[in-house]
Amino acid sequence: QVQLVESGGGVVQPGRSLRLSCAASGFNFGFYGMHWVRQAPGKGLEWVAVIWYDGSQQYYADSVKGRFTISRDTSKNTVFLEMNSLRAEDTAVYYCARVKYSSYWSYFDYWGQGTLVTVSS
Amino acid sequence: DIQMTQSPSFLSASVGDRVTIACRASQGISGHLNWYQQKPGKAPKLLIYAASNLEGGVPSRFSGSGSGTDFTLTISTLQPEDFATYYCQQTYSSPPEITFGQGTKLEVK
Repeated sequence: QVQLVESGGGVVQPGRSLRLSCAASGFNFGFYGMHWVRQAPGKGLEWVAVIWYDGSQQYYADSVKGRFTISRDTSKNTVFLEMNSLRAEDTAVYYCARVKYSSYWSYFDYWGQGTLVTVSS
Repeated sequence: DIQMTQSPSFLSASVGDRVTIACRASQGISGHLNWYQQKPGKAPKLLIYAASNLEGGVPSRFSGSGSGTDFTLTISTLQPEDFATYYCQQTYSSPPEITFGQGTKLEVK
C-alpha cells in the first residue's frame, strides 16, 4: 500500500536551517510528482512546493521562494525540503503529498502524516 | 494568484441533514477543483477530484459540482463521521501555484 512518512521536524531557532524528508513506499516513486503542504497551528492548508516526477522542475510559494529548496532522491524513494532562514511564521505541520494526474486533472491522492516544525528562540 | 473563498467558514448541522459547502475561485479554473476532508490531528483526505469525480472508497453521499468559478460540495445525509473540516483546492495555475480555500468547519448542532 502507498505510504508517505515524513521526518526531520523539530524546534529550531529563527534564522537557522532544517531539512525535512518524506520516505515513499508502495508505488513507483519515479513516476510521480511530489508536493509539500503546510498547516500552521489552528490554520488552513498552505501549498509550499512541488517537484516534477523526474526532478526537472521545481516551483515554490512566494512565502518560501529563495529560502526553501525541494529535491528528490529516486534511489532512496525520498523527497526533501531544505528550509533555510527560518522564521516564526514557518511554524507548521509539514505534509508531503503525492500528485496524481488523470487526463488533464491533478490532485493529491496520498498524504503523509505530517511533521511539526516549530521556529522559536 | 488565484484566490479560493469557501462559504460558510463554520457550519452547524445534525446527523441526517443535507449539507452544502460552496467554493468560489477569483478567476475561471475550468474543472480543476478538488475537495479534501480533514479531521483533527490527521492529514487531509481526498474526497472529490476534478470538481465532480468521487475518489475510490469515498461514500456516495459525497458529491461535487460546478465549473469555472463556482463549485459546491454536498453531503446528502450527514453521518457522525462527517464532522470535520473541508477544504477546496485549485490546481489550474501553470506554473503550479496551488491554492486552498480557507476551510469550512462542520460541527454538530
